[in-house]
Amino acid sequence: DAGITQSPRHKVTETGTPVTLRCHQTENHRYMYWYRQDPGHGLRLIHYSYGVKDTDKGEVSDGYSVSRSKTEDFLLTLESATSSQTSVYFCAISVGTGDSPLHFGNGTRLTVT
Amino acid sequence: GENVEQHPSTLSVQEGDSAVIKCTYSDSASNYFPWYKQELGKGPQLIIDIRSNVGEKKDQRIAVTLNKTAKHFSLHITETQPEDSAVYFCAAEAGGGADGLTFGKGTHLIIQP
Repeated sequence: DAGITQSPRHKVTETGTPVTLRCHQTENHRYMYWYRQDPGHGLRLIHYSYGVKDTDKGEVSDGYSVSRSKTEDFLLTLESATSSQTSVYFCAISVGTGDSPLHFGNGTRLTVT
Repeated sequence: GENVEQHPSTLSVQEGDSAVIKCTYSDSASNYFPWYKQELGKGPQLIIDIRSNVGEKKDQRIAVTLNKTAKHFSLHITETQPEDSAVYFCAAEAGGGADGLTFGKGTHLIIQP
C-alpha cells in the first residue's frame, strides 16, 4: 500500500456533526490527494496538497476542508456532515504532478445517517 | 478541465478469452495515462501506464495502446484468469498542474469459469 495509512477505516456519524479523516504516509512524497468514490461516478478529486500548508480545491470541494501541517499527514474535515457525503474516501500520494502515478490507501468508508 | 469516458461499465468474458476496455479523453495536452485495478475493499492499484511518446506498452498479459490523434487509449488483457475479476479504472493527467489525475467511471470485469 505504498506506506499509506488511512484512519479510521469505517465511521458512522450523524448529520450535522464534524468529521475528520486522516491520511498518514511514510514515503515523504510531496503531493497528497483526497478522492471520493461513489457508484456511477468513479473517483472524484476533493482537495490536494503540493506541500506543507499548500493546498487547493478539486472538482468536488464544497463542504470539505483540508490541512497539512506536516509532510506525512493530510487531514480531510467535513465541518457539518450531510447524507450526500456518505461515500468511500481515498487518500493518494505522488512523487510528482499529473504526469506521475498515484498510490492509494485502502480507504475510509463513511456513512452519514 | 480533462474529461475521461470509459466503456463498457460491465464486461463479462470466459476464462482464457481476452478483455478490452476503452477510454477517451478530452484534453489534447494530456501526456500520461495510467490504468488501475481495484479489488473489493481495497484502494486502486496501478497496473500499467503509458506516456504520449509511446503508442503501445506491454507487461506480460496486459497491454495498453494509445492513439493521441483520436484521443483514446485501451487496456487489453489476454488469457484472462479468475484473479483478473475486479473493477478497472483508466485515468488521464488532469491538466498539467498539481491536481493529479482525472478518472473514468470504471469497468467491472467479470471472468466466467
